[in-house]
Amino acid sequence: KAGVTQTPRYLIKTRGQQVTLSCSPISGHRSVSWYQQTPGQGLQFLFEYFSETQRNKGNFPGRFSGRQFSNSRSEMNVSTLELGDSALYLCASSLEGHGYTFGSGTRLTVV
Amino acid sequence: DQQVKQNSPSLSVQEGRISILNCDYTNSMFDYFLWYKKYPAEGPTFLISISSIKDKNEDGRFTVFLNKSAKHLSLHIVPSQPGDSAVYFCAASAGPAGGTSYGKLTFGQGTILTVHP
Repeated sequence: KAGVTQTPRYLIKTRGQQVTLSCSPISGHRSVSWYQQTPGQGLQFLFEYFSETQRNKGNFPGRFSGRQFSNSRSEMNVSTLELGDSALYLCASSLEGHGYTFGSGTRLTVV
Repeated sequence: DQQVKQNSPSLSVQEGRISILNCDYTNSMFDYFLWYKKYPAEGPTFLISISSIKDKNEDGRFTVFLNKSAKHLSLHIVPSQPGDSAVYFCAASAGPAGGTSYGKLTFGQGTILTVHP
């Protein structure tokens, strides 16, 4: 079966711009979580969506937002990009509970 | 406040020998633990998990041990192979009783494992 698909794989944006990243979960998975990976902070939880509702949120500023559609696909948006937002953004999907499968990520570079 | 810690940034072992990766946690609400393997610029790949009701779980060459009283878990890889060389992350989650657990894994900083032929 198809895994978790994230698009695009690579992205270069300028400070102040906004960006939208996409995640298609494994078919049948209704929970989608987003993580940010940076060399200094490691893997940090951004938020989780289940059936189009945000159930959990990490400690990130309001510039980071997300949504989930009725087909469970999810998007995350970062507005007013800062240099420090450069990171690998990972999406993970789960049927429910603890088994999380990750996508390959989107590498965002802010210049 | 680092709730999941992997104190060894790196580990080097010879092919065929045992690799032991360690992880400590501080949050007593964690009830499920996972190990992931990761290559650069790729997403983590799930290896093995363990529930807090168990103290050991095996899957092929991989065994995870959980010591709840010490808040410590370890991943054993036997025998180690050069293809096991990667970054290994320990992760933990709290069940719904923990209140704010949905979808949230708390990761350690990772241990770089190098297996020499």
